[in-house]
Amino acid sequence: KAGVTQTPRYLIKTRGQQVTLSCSPISGHRSVSWYQQTPGQGLQFLFEYFSETQRNKGNFPGRFSGRQFSNSRSEMNVSTLELGDSALYLCASSLARGTSYEQYFGPGTRLTVT
Amino acid sequence: AQSVTQPDIHITVSEGASLELRCNYSYGATPYLFWYVQSPGQGLQLLLKYFSGDTLVQGIKGFEAEFKRSQSSFNLRKPSVHWSDAAEYFCAVVTMKTSYDKVIFGPGTSLSVIP
Repeated sequence: KAGVTQTPRYLIKTRGQQVTLSCSPISGHRSVSWYQQTPGQGLQFLFEYFSETQRNKGNFPGRFSGRQFSNSRSEMNVSTLELGDSALYLCASSLARGTSYEQYFGPGTRLTVT
Repeated sequence: AQSVTQPDIHITVSEGASLELRCNYSYGATPYLFWYVQSPGQGLQLLLKYFSGDTLVQGIKGFEAEFKRSQSSFNLRKPSVHWSDAAEYFCAVVTMKTSYDKVIFGPGTSLSVIP
């Protein structure tokens, strides 16, 4: 069974631009969660989508948004990029809703904002 | 506020030596507890989890962890470390709310293995 895939793997953007990251979960998994990983703040939960609905949200500004499609694929969008948005963005999928269930992580998208 | 601490930022052990990585949490009740490992350039992989029951849990790759309620700890152990265990290790805590759960990751412990 294929694992969680994230595209693109690397991205360089300029301040003020917007970016869209994509995540394809493991086949059959309906929950997709997004995390931001930085050296300073560590791993922080962004949001979770289940059945095309946002079920849970972390403490991030509204510039960070996401959506989930009927095939469970998810996209994350960051608008008006700031230097501090430079991070590794990880996506995780699980069979059921909630981060208490076993999550399978993708390799991440490395975003650099200049 | 809930928090997770991993007191050791970096640990170096010799191959074949035993390993213990510490994790402490602050929460009023018993949360769900996890250990993840992250190799360079990779996402996180679940090593083991504790929800309830036996306080000693076995995981993959020969790892185990022990939950100690009195110490609010969930330390990860391995009796004999292999060079391939060099990676970043994260403890995570999930606390259950009324309609959603909240996950908090510790800052991570970087493990180096000397041949």
